[in-house]
Amino acid sequence: SQQGEEDPQALSIQEGENATMNCSYKTSINNLQWYRQNSGRGLVHLILIRSNEREKHSGRLRVTLDTSKKSSSLLITASRAADTASYFCATDAFRSGSEKLVFGKGTKLTVNP
Amino acid sequence: EAGVTQFPSHSVIEKGQTVTLRCDPISGHDNLYWYRRVMGKEIKFLLHFVKESKQDESGMPNNRFLAERTGGTYSTLKVQPAELEDSGVYFCASSQDRAFNEQFFGPGTRLTVL
Repeated sequence: SQQGEEDPQALSIQEGENATMNCSYKTSINNLQWYRQNSGRGLVHLILIRSNEREKHSGRLRVTLDTSKKSSSLLITASRAADTASYFCATDAFRSGSEKLVFGKGTKLTVNP
Repeated sequence: EAGVTQFPSHSVIEKGQTVTLRCDPISGHDNLYWYRRVMGKEIKFLLHFVKESKQDESGMPNNRFLAERTGGTYSTLKVQPAELEDSGVYFCASSQDRAFNEQFFGPGTRLTVL
């Protein structure tokens, strides 16, 4: 699998339900970031979690990070139709001297009204 | 505060032509990045500027791509001559702090090469 690989590739839920997306990566990281992309639009930054953090919240979003398993999860609670989008995790390599982000292919979330 | 802006939003050109994409980062952000997503693939890094200097251009696909950031403000990405496989969405991002590396993306330029 590639750095920053999301799972599942597609997820369809009903409005009001919770949505959980997972991300796995291969190398040690400084930070992990989650982004959202609505159809045909740009990437919206959702949240950044540092490698020394285990959990972070922002509104209806909850991100966890398990560096021992090299994985992260994004939980969206009480989903809304407007949450329909593709979600990407992105990592940067620890002490690589480069700040480039490596993205996965994303999880396509559909929230049905 | 204005976000990252990109121009144009969409460009359609023929193979062999030249296209120049522009990115204006968030004011005060020294770090500027270019990424692209070709159809069905992941978003891939192209290069990174710190002010006007190229910090990392390891992702540039070939010498048909030229990026500049004169004066350390906006950046341009020129593709000359464009090929069919250059079609995709080109994103620009900027960040203030390299250590923290929270990158904010623009809306992208969708490039179609016919």
